[in-house]
Amino acid sequence: DAKTTQPPSMDCAEGRAANLPCNHSTISGNEYVYWYRQIHSQGPQYIIHGLKNNETNEMASLIITEDRKSSTLILPHATLRDTAVYYCIVRDPTYNQGGKLIFGQGTELSVKP
Amino acid sequence: GAGVSQSPSNKVTEKGKDVELRCDPISGHTALYWYRQRLGQGLEFLIYFQGNSAPDKSGLPSDRFSAERTGESVSTLTIQRTQQEDSAVYLCASGPFSGANVLTFGAGSRLTVL
Repeated sequence: DAKTTQPPSMDCAEGRAANLPCNHSTISGNEYVYWYRQIHSQGPQYIIHGLKNNETNEMASLIITEDRKSSTLILPHATLRDTAVYYCIVRDPTYNQGGKLIFGQGTELSVKP
Repeated sequence: GAGVSQSPSNKVTEKGKDVELRCDPISGHTALYWYRQRLGQGLEFLIYFQGNSAPDKSGLPSDRFSAERTGESVSTLTIQRTQQEDSAVYLCASGPFSGANVLTFGAGSRLTVL
């Protein structure tokens, strides 16, 4: 699997955009970028994933650089409820290729009033 | 059901006793994972089931840990002769065949070994 690197922690002001970076310089052509988050005392929650095009859903936007070596998860208007640990994971989704999904240390995002 | 259901939500046991944790995945999901999360720590992979393939047991920490899954249904995680270091939240997640990396997690089973 491609290794990912994320900053251990970040702060964001409530109402502002939170931009969470992830480096995955060894990503291969078949591997997608997945983002999850874990709010304190809850199970992780899937947010978004993408291959090379930028993606947007009701929760967030995912921007992947053209060379695919890094990506940014954007929470456009962060709220206090977005305080969580955010995990960036790179995986091949193909059956028999995907294997186990491993979570790293993630980025602890603190949204402050 | 609509989500992943885990039981019990809380379990307190004495050192040396066996415990069994249950996970009901989302109907039709072929992928099922068990993770362990100790207090203040990250998610530790334990075991992964994908359809009828042989499970990936590479994360099980010792032979006291085992898990079973019948087809694409319920899974049970069994811990024998529990130790205090087994105290943790045990999380189950399931995912569809076509998107095996898009997982839905249960609320977890909190195990406390006295």
